[in-house]
Amino acid sequence: DIQMTQSPSAMSASVGDRVTITCRASQGITSYLAWFQQKPGQVPKRLIYASSNLQSGVPSRFSGSGSGTEFTLTISNLQPEDIATYYCLQHNFYPLTFGGGTKVEIK
Amino acid sequence: QVQLVQSGAEVKKPGASVKVSCKASGYTLTSYDINWVRQATGQGLEWMGWMNPNSGNTGYAQKFQGRITMTGNASISTVYMELSGLTSEDTAVYYCARRTSRVTSIDYWGQGTLVSVSS
Repeated sequence: DIQMTQSPSAMSASVGDRVTITCRASQGITSYLAWFQQKPGQVPKRLIYASSNLQSGVPSRFSGSGSGTEFTLTISNLQPEDIATYYCLQHNFYPLTFGGGTKVEIK
Repeated sequence: QVQLVQSGAEVKKPGASVKVSCKASGYTLTSYDINWVRQATGQGLEWMGWMNPNSGNTGYAQKFQGRITMTGNASISTVYMELSGLTSEDTAVYYCARRTSRVTSIDYWGQGTLVSVSS
């Protein structure tokens, strides 16, 4: 099975900051990596799929990049409503695997 | 609009089984795979398995092999996930989620079903 290592596990940043979250796959997954945002008590929400494709309705300050084994999620201008835990998901082959999550807080 | 509506919360004794349902609307159930994901309180997302409601094919995470079964009834647009041999470690919110393709991955999620296992 493919293991997904996500970092950092938690971070604190100021409003307006640029935030970067990384996911590394234990083997190549081409570009089949999605990012989800989960706010407390809510269902995960897809932000990005296939590495860089922005889900309709998601603010453009969210972007994704990468291929092979290294991927990043960038929030270009952190907003208070972005406080959440973010998860990556490799969707190349079954079994799908999630990263461990990154909790983003505001300083 | 696409919706996945799950059955309500369950409380089970250790050793029991639980069966969670997931009813799809707004699209044809047999068009896409349904995946199941769980989340223990304060923990991350854990993928459990998938089912193709058209073929009935399934695939399960190794961790759950032997005690998980996914089934479906296309006539009522519903899929089921049954987990047996419950322990306190299985206390979690269980989600069904639609996967449209290898490229687009998981898009819609059910609202989640809390399964509590306690003696």
